[in-house]
Amino acid sequence: NAGVTQTPKFQVLKTGQSMTLQCAQDMNHNSMYWYRQDPGMGLRLIYYSASEGTTDKGEVPNGYNVSRLNKREFSLRLESAAPSQTSVYFCASSESGSEAYEQYFGPGTRLTVT
Amino acid sequence: GDSVTQMEGPVTLSEEACLTINCTYTATGYPSLFWYVQYPGEGLQLLLKATKADDKGSNKGFEATYRKETTSFHLEKGSVQVSDSAVYFCALGAGGSYIPTFGRGTSLIVHP
Repeated sequence: NAGVTQTPKFQVLKTGQSMTLQCAQDMNHNSMYWYRQDPGMGLRLIYYSASEGTTDKGEVPNGYNVSRLNKREFSLRLESAAPSQTSVYFCASSESGSEAYEQYFGPGTRLTVT
Repeated sequence: GDSVTQMEGPVTLSEEACLTINCTYTATGYPSLFWYVQYPGEGLQLLLKATKADDKGSNKGFEATYRKETTSFHLEKGSVQVSDSAVYFCALGAGGSYIPTFGRGTSLIVHP
């Protein structure tokens, strides 16, 4: 099993450009999450999907949109990138219910916006 | 709301030294507690967990005991290795949201 995969691994964008970060999991998990990690800020939840067909905002959703394409895939879109969105982005997945606290993370996408 | 407080890093140790990374929490009810580890350039991975008071989680030589009376879940290892150099995150799960609350992480650097 590959676990959680993310593409791309690295990306450089200019301010105002758009892009989609892709995430897929092969563990048949119901729940999926997008986090960003910044120095000194820890992990912050952007959006999550508790189950296929549902999405909800996390702590820092502004400037992002998500799509739960099917049970396996959960994408994150930046419509108009800003330098403040320079960060490392992690996708995670988990079972539902009380098992949701045990999350499985992908390797991350390192995004720089100039 | 729920919160997790970890000691600030970096923690710098020599190989074979003892490690303690402090973690305290605030939560309603009876949370589950977790330690995650993030190696350089990778995502987080679950290291150990405890789901009720006095439970001890252990993995790869690391241990942590769920102390309800002190609301703590300190991470310990008797003899660290260079390969343990990483960032360690304490987290809790409580309530009905099923979204874990993470601490800010503690960086561990182990020198040969």
